[in-house]
Amino acid sequence: TQLLEQSPQFLSIQEGENLTVYCNSSSVFSSLQWYRQEPGEGPVLLVTVVTGGEVKKLKRLTFQFGDARKDSSLHITAAQPGDTGLYLCAGPPPAYKYIFGTGTRLKVLA
Amino acid sequence: GAVVSQHPSWVICKSGTSVKIECRSLDFQATTMFWYRQFPKQSLMLMATSNEGSKATYEQGVEKDKFLINHASLTLSTLTVTSAHPEDSSFYICSAPRELAESTDTQYFGPGTRLTVL
Repeated sequence: TQLLEQSPQFLSIQEGENLTVYCNSSSVFSSLQWYRQEPGEGPVLLVTVVTGGEVKKLKRLTFQFGDARKDSSLHITAAQPGDTGLYLCAGPPPAYKYIFGTGTRLKVLA
Repeated sequence: GAVVSQHPSWVICKSGTSVKIECRSLDFQATTMFWYRQFPKQSLMLMATSNEGSKATYEQGVEKDKFLINHASLTLSTLTVTSAHPEDSSFYICSAPRELAESTDTQYFGPGTRLTVL
């Protein structure tokens, strides 16, 4: 059972546009991580959010952790072709294991 | 630099053979490691949790007799795909949690192993 649902599943946008990716769960997570994965490689960590309501910025990327620690969002401003990839949220649900969201595949067209 | 390595990075084998994939934490000890498989254009699905000194914990639907996991030491976990079939072809990724100074575990991922079963 996948505990982390991401939306949208696919997103194709033009360079310069903004976008938001959502990660939702019915369970409380002690922390959530966001990753980007390129084909044929392992996921690369972008950020970790720990505190409910927390907002973190990484250049053009803004990450938010929901107040109840059940959801998170990733907002990209002025997307660039280099942002293309598979974006994954992940975290440890109450039973200590580490699971991934369903993934959002982003394609930014030049 | 990489803190978790996997070997091999890719392997092609004949149907019916067994394949062993190694996952090593390079400069830290990991009492727990996680194994995932990923099909093309899909997310990572947790297969099992590898526990040093005890049996692995498998996720629902994952055959423990087919995917043998051995956490041989605090820096090594192995996944053996037994009697591989073409449907086992996938990208296999391991990860290991590492506690950082801010007391938040960070997962470090291996680069993955692409298995192709002919």
